Amino acid sequence: KQEVTQIPAALSVPEGENLVLNCSFTDSAIYNLQWFRQDPGKGLTSLLLIQSSQREQTSGRLNASLDKSSGRSTLYIAASQPGDSATYLCAVIEYSGGGADGLTFGKGTHLIIQP
Amino acid sequence: NAGVTQTPKFQVLKTGQSMTLQCAQDMNHEYMSWYRQDPGMGLRLIHYSVGAGITDQGEVPNGYNVSRSTTEDFPLRLLSAAPSQTSVYFCASSYGSHANSPLHFGNGTRLTVT
Repeated sequence: KQEVTQIPAALSVPEGENLVLNCSFTDSAIYNLQWFRQDPGKGLTSLLLIQSSQREQTSGRLNASLDKSSGRSTLYIAASQPGDSATYLCAVIEYSGGGADGLTFGKGTHLIIQP
Repeated sequence: NAGVTQTPKFQVLKTGQSMTLQCAQDMNHEYMSWYRQDPGMGLRLIHYSVGAGITDQGEVPNGYNVSRSTTEDFPLRLLSAAPSQTSVYFCASSYGSHANSPLHFGNGTRLTVT
């Protein structure tokens, strides 16, 4: 069974710092990996989607990388801002034989950017 | 576009009661799914649908039913509510195959079963 782990569970950094969030998964037979952001009391917002054939994706100050063979992904946030404070989740879709199944989520990293 | 709309936002049920959580999307997405989010457990897939008339079970389907009669709507039915079903429920959709497209989430329904 696929397991997704996110480290650290919580992180607090001063504004302006660059930071890296980590995600690891146990089964490398994935279609894609997605990074989401969740604000308190809200749903999830998709940030970046990396297909299994890709190595990285970029959107603004965010860069996500994928090393499928080692089962790892990182989300790099440049020049962090207080508005980046949220919980960040990664999720993978794996091939289940009959096609793509649902997403398997990590438990998230709770990020606080101190003004 | 409203995106993915979930109703109600909050609900309190007594054990044994039934109810339907509504989910509607106006993006003409083929794929729709239901997740529950519990502290310490993360999000877990309940049921999903790859198109109208097609549904399948996820990781935690017991106690829940779904149907997909239209592309827009994907209701989740609790047949006989139990305290273990206290959770936050999220509906999500994506264009075409969810293996290639990002998921769009609703804002959730917070359900408490007493």
